Amino acid sequence: QVQLVESGGGVVQPGRSLSLSCAASGFTFRSHGIHWVRQAPGKGLEWVAVISDDGSNQYYADSVNGRFTISRDNAKNTVYLQMNSLSAEDTAMYYCAKDRYYGSGTYALDYWGPGTLVTVS
Amino acid sequence: DIQVTQSPSSLSASVGDRVIITCRASQSLSGYLNWYQQKPGKAPNLLIYAASTLHFGVPSRFSGSGSGTDYTLTISSLQPEDFATYYCQRSFATPRFGQGTRLEIK
Repeated sequence: QVQLVESGGGVVQPGRSLSLSCAASGFTFRSHGIHWVRQAPGKGLEWVAVISDDGSNQYYADSVNGRFTISRDNAKNTVYLQMNSLSAEDTAMYYCAKDRYYGSGTYALDYWGPGTLVTVS
Repeated sequence: DIQVTQSPSSLSASVGDRVIITCRASQSLSGYLNWYQQKPGKAPNLLIYAASTLHFGVPSRFSGSGSGTDYTLTISSLQPEDFATYYCQRSFATPRFGQGTRLEIK
């Protein structure tokens, strides 16, 4: 079955860096884009970044552009999120999710990991 | 950038009630709209994609409709396990989520 498992969260001081990982299994990893979505405590969902299936394209939310870098290793079925210059506003649960395209250009995030908590303090 | 706005932000209902949640976009989404359910302490789960197609395994009491700028998620007869927070998400370009609708037990 499809599984996504995030790791690497923890407590980090403002201005420091942290790297998250998302390990995937149960599907053809190299055929799907992978997204990071975060959720601050008690708040809604905020999309963070996406990397295309072959890793050639990355897109970021304005709030993290220039500070976060998404990458992937298709040989290891893993996506990474390097987070630099962290601030309290980055405190959140970070989820990775795979995308699925249904044709006609529409897609959805059809499977999500359980999340990893990042606390900047 | 096309924004999506959900309403209401919270809703109280009873088991067996019919519930409608609305998502309105600042411009036409052309049907590119998904719905997710999130329970406390859990990751979101996809319910509906392309405005009206149920994701695999989602009960038929959930339905989606809409076009252009206005979309709805309907739960025909609320079950105890349906009390959760629901999010809409535009599904073209990069994702953008609505603010969420918290569905509580009356």
